[in-house]
Amino acid sequence: DAKTTQPTSMDCAEGRAANLPCNHSTISGNEYVYWYRQIHSQGPQYIIHGLKNNETNEMASLIITEDRKSSTLILPHATLRDTAVYYCIVRVEGQGFSFIFGKGTRLLVKP
Amino acid sequence: ETGVTQSPTHLIKTRGQQVTLRCSSQSGHNTVSWYQQALGQGPQFIFQYYREEENGRGNFPPRFSGLQFPNYSSELNVNALELDDSALYLCASRWDFSGLDTQYFGPGTRLTVL
Repeated sequence: DAKTTQPTSMDCAEGRAANLPCNHSTISGNEYVYWYRQIHSQGPQYIIHGLKNNETNEMASLIITEDRKSSTLILPHATLRDTAVYYCIVRVEGQGFSFIFGKGTRLLVKP
Repeated sequence: ETGVTQSPTHLIKTRGQQVTLRCSSQSGHNTVSWYQQALGQGPQFIFQYYREEENGRGNFPPRFSGLQFPNYSSELNVNALELDDSALYLCASRWDFSGLDTQYFGPGTRLTVL
């Protein structure tokens, strides 16, 4: 079973920040939080990952709470092309096994 | 573009047949994973290959099998196809040695079983 809980769907106005929450209350100390997104019927696209510090790259920012039980992915200026299903995944860095996906959050960016 | 390619793009088979799906990993990646994604669901992990050996498997029956070749390309084979095998099949590659575990996915193969 997925170790994360996400809202089923969210809307965001074009040009505004999209804030996507994720709960991972059972996360362990060495488990990273990964975010991927999947635009309709394409392969999932890597966005960002982090352990305990906030992270930022050219696509998004990742804010992880101090207790690490939840995180928020921020798309600072959402565009229509950001409409996708966003997956929050928790896994242990360096293990041989792969990701366990949940159902993700369907983000709809509206004009 | 991730550099991970899959073929074919679409495939239609009938129940009971066998199918082989192919994946070419991103250059330099030594680990490949396969996922099955049913309509409306998140991807489900099938298995993973590292240096031509399976080193992880999800909850899938033995009729799902795979191969990884020395050039790190990979195949997913499914025998005795069932209607429920209809799905998008994704492969993902990564470089395991660096300790970084970011996977890069291909575009997928859409399999329809009639």
